[in-house]
Amino acid sequence: GDSVTQMEGPVTLSEEACLTINCTYTATGYPSLFWYVQYPGEGLQLLLKATKADDKGSNKGFEATYRKETTSFHLEKGSVQVSDSAVYFCALKSQAGTALIFGKGTTLSVSS
Amino acid sequence: DTAVSQTPKYLVTQMGNDKSIKCEQNLGHDTMYWYKQDSKKFLKIMFSYNNKELIINETVPNRFSPKSPDKAHLNLHINSLELGDSAVYFCASSQAGTGIHEQYFGPGTRLTVT
Repeated sequence: GDSVTQMEGPVTLSEEACLTINCTYTATGYPSLFWYVQYPGEGLQLLLKATKADDKGSNKGFEATYRKETTSFHLEKGSVQVSDSAVYFCALKSQAGTALIFGKGTTLSVSS
Repeated sequence: DTAVSQTPKYLVTQMGNDKSIKCEQNLGHDTMYWYKQDSKKFLKIMFSYNNKELIINETVPNRFSPKSPDKAHLNLHINSLELGDSAVYFCASSQAGTGIHEQYFGPGTRLTVT
């Protein structure tokens, strides 16, 4: 079945460091891909999305490109801030399905 | 102007009790979901309703019963609570037919069963 694999955390960075969180997926057809962020004690917020190959989603300095050839959707940010500390989830929605399938989440901790 | 709201935010109860969690969305969406987040933060779909009709019912104990009185509401009733039911339950909504199914999540209900 469809699945999402994220890099294990936690990821610990200093402020202004570069961030990459790897995400790969297994799905038939052309799924839609998402990154969600969960700040401590809160619900999930959609961070960015991409719906077809080579689409680049971006928001708040974060970017991810839908790579069909490598079945990947890595999350990147050039300069992280303390306020970016959160849990990041990669997710997909298959063409035929309705619900989101989530990766296990990656905890990011940024220190000043 | 909360888009997806859930009540209560916290729920502490004893084994064997019956409890309900309520969810409401004011986005005009026609599809609503319940997800369970376990202690390791793993999120998994439990149920989905489209226009008040059940469309997804994952392998969930039949002690869990969702009810959708209208398109804007999806409640979750849990009978005979067990320790393993302790988790954070998230409600979400989306608009079918957009092809993207961008989902909006509520703040979650942290259920603790003692």
